Amino acid sequence: GAGVSQSPRYKVAKRGQDVALRCDPISGHVSLFWYQQALGQGPEFLTYFQNEAQLDKSGLPSDRFFAERPEGSVSTLKIQRTQQEDSAVYLCASSVSGINSYEQYFGPGTRLTVT
Amino acid sequence: GQQVMQIPQYQHVQEGEDFTTYCNSSTTLSNIQWYKQRPGGHPVFLIQLVKSGEVKKQKRLTFQFGEAKKNSSLHITATQTTDVGTYFCAGRSMNYGGATNKLIFGTGTLLAVQP
Repeated sequence: GAGVSQSPRYKVAKRGQDVALRCDPISGHVSLFWYQQALGQGPEFLTYFQNEAQLDKSGLPSDRFFAERPEGSVSTLKIQRTQQEDSAVYLCASSVSGINSYEQYFGPGTRLTVT
Repeated sequence: GQQVMQIPQYQHVQEGEDFTTYCNSSTTLSNIQWYKQRPGGHPVFLIQLVKSGEVKKQKRLTFQFGEAKKNSSLHITATQTTDVGTYFCAGRSMNYGGATNKLIFGTGTLLAVQP
């Protein structure tokens, strides 16, 4: 496909469960970003990869959150021991270059509900 | 930390009326981007402004970047029902080594257009 894809689109987890969210960026895009968007809020930065290197993880809210992009393409955001406050839409975005001035292409998001 | 605020939070207009949303950053920005998010959708890139005082137009949309590079605005002339959605500004702050690759999204302005 031509765009950023994410799976699953919806995930319901019981509190305490681990979840893994997948992002397939646009082929060839160097940069990959994860955001968390709560209802009625703007996306909040979580972490950033340039190829396989995680250059910024300052937005990860706790050590329960972990992201990887081992081969510089597909990325996975893992949340361990989910809590109710983790309920949100998790957006992935990619951009063509590592240079800071490029637009970001967003995927459709994964809506996580923790019960 | 850096904060980006937008006003108003919500605007309801009659079709054909004009609309403006304002974006203010607590820190100087290297550049600013604007995104539109339709209800239930994901953010879609509209434009990027880089230079102090820059003004760009896209058909009925006019974007401005303030002289101090701490504020921006989006003005829509003669709104249409297709303009419905949430408009986010997103800024990159300056740091010691130059601009970062982290986008800080504003709080967003939800535009409703009544036909």
